[in-house]
Amino acid sequence: GESVGLHLPTLSVQEGDNSIINCAYSNSASDYFIWYKQESGKGPQFIIDIRSNMDKRQGQRVTVLLNKTVKHLSLQIAATQPGDSAVYFCAEILGGATNKLIFGTGTLLAVQP
Amino acid sequence: GAGVSQSPRYKVAKRGQDVALRCDPISGHVSLFWYQQALGQGPEFLTYFQNEAQLDKSGLPSDRFFAERPEGSVSTLKIQRTQQEDSAVYLCASSLTISTEAFFGQGTRLTVV
Repeated sequence: GESVGLHLPTLSVQEGDNSIINCAYSNSASDYFIWYKQESGKGPQFIIDIRSNMDKRQGQRVTVLLNKTVKHLSLQIAATQPGDSAVYFCAEILGGATNKLIFGTGTLLAVQP
Repeated sequence: GAGVSQSPRYKVAKRGQDVALRCDPISGHVSLFWYQQALGQGPEFLTYFQNEAQLDKSGLPSDRFFAERPEGSVSTLKIQRTQQEDSAVYLCASSLTISTEAFFGQGTRLTVV
């Protein structure tokens, strides 16, 4: 079936460096994508979203890039901090009556002090 | 608090036992979702409610799984005759409307022994 997946299961970076987490999606009809952060023992927390009519969106220290040609998403985190250590998921929304989220398997971001 | 509340936080069940997991969504939120998250995986959609109406239950893995939201607020996910493969974190999320941000609870970790 169609799914959202991640290229790198684990990413280790030094504090202060920039982080890039990648994600591939397979449903070309999806028009809305979200990045979530999940810390141990907690539920996913919304970070940033992007619609398919955009190719870039910026938040506070985070940027999401969308390349519809190759069906690829990335999350860039500037000046990575220890508090950024978590599992990051991309998710796509299949529209319609439900708007349910389809999650990938996640990337563990480990920030080294 | 003002967030999504789930109880219990942890549940250990003997194989064959029935369990009930509770979700208190954010007050006034119309949409409510249940997800199942296996260890090391992304959450997988189970079911969706709009107020008291269960509009999508396509993700429920078997007829042992049942969800309800009788008054359009609190929801209960019931699993009958639990099996070891049911061991996972069960996440609840709510959103004000179908097209607005979903907020997740901390989840209930179910372990079937």
